[in-house]
Amino acid sequence: GAGVSQSPSNKVTEKGKDVELRCDPISGHTALYWYRQSLGQGLEFLIYFQGNSAPDKSGLPSDRFSAERTGGSVSTLTIQRTQQEDSAVYLCASSPGRGGLSYNEQFFGPGTRLTVL
Amino acid sequence: EDKVVQSPLSLVVHEGDTVTLNCSYEVTNFRSLLWYKQEKKAPTFLFMLTSSGIEKKSGRLSSILDKKELSSILNITATQTGDSAIYLCASPMNYGGSQGNLIFGKGTKLSVKP
Repeated sequence: GAGVSQSPSNKVTEKGKDVELRCDPISGHTALYWYRQSLGQGLEFLIYFQGNSAPDKSGLPSDRFSAERTGGSVSTLTIQRTQQEDSAVYLCASSPGRGGLSYNEQFFGPGTRLTVL
Repeated sequence: EDKVVQSPLSLVVHEGDTVTLNCSYEVTNFRSLLWYKQEKKAPTFLFMLTSSGIEKKSGRLSSILDKKELSSILNITATQTGDSAIYLCASPMNYGGSQGNLIFGKGTKLSVKP
């Protein structure tokens, strides 16, 4: 079946421009996560959506970052006024979101490589 | 602050060698530890460990959790060049029984030379 998809796969932008990154989770998965991976670093949590609950935005590094999830499915991560330090691979993951241990297994998309010049 | 720490950060071996990757954790209300393999962009799931002392095995890969030592190891026997990747260890945040995001270690970059 289809996995998590993300678009674009690569994005090059100029400093100060806004960018939008898209994530299509696995159908039926209620939990969706955004992570960021900078060169040589582990994955850094950004934001988490679970069903219709208010998202956990505790990982967003600044107010230039925002995300929304429409209809409990597709999510868009927006970075306004991009800075060079925003350059990273942005990964999206989804999980079933049900109770129990199956909730923990997150399936990752291929990521979007963002380069801010 | 919850954290996951991996060692070594990088490792170079030759085909046929056996390697052991380490992961230690400090996670409030710990429930599970996960291993992922990241070759290009998307990490792919390897193991989820919840019980101490029970080895999970998949082919040449195996992993075990030690809750007393707050650690886990990932073993790869008879390594192949295709095992070259970054291996990530992670544990989910736990909010009163409701799991949240994963906390990742920085990863171990394994390079297997022919």
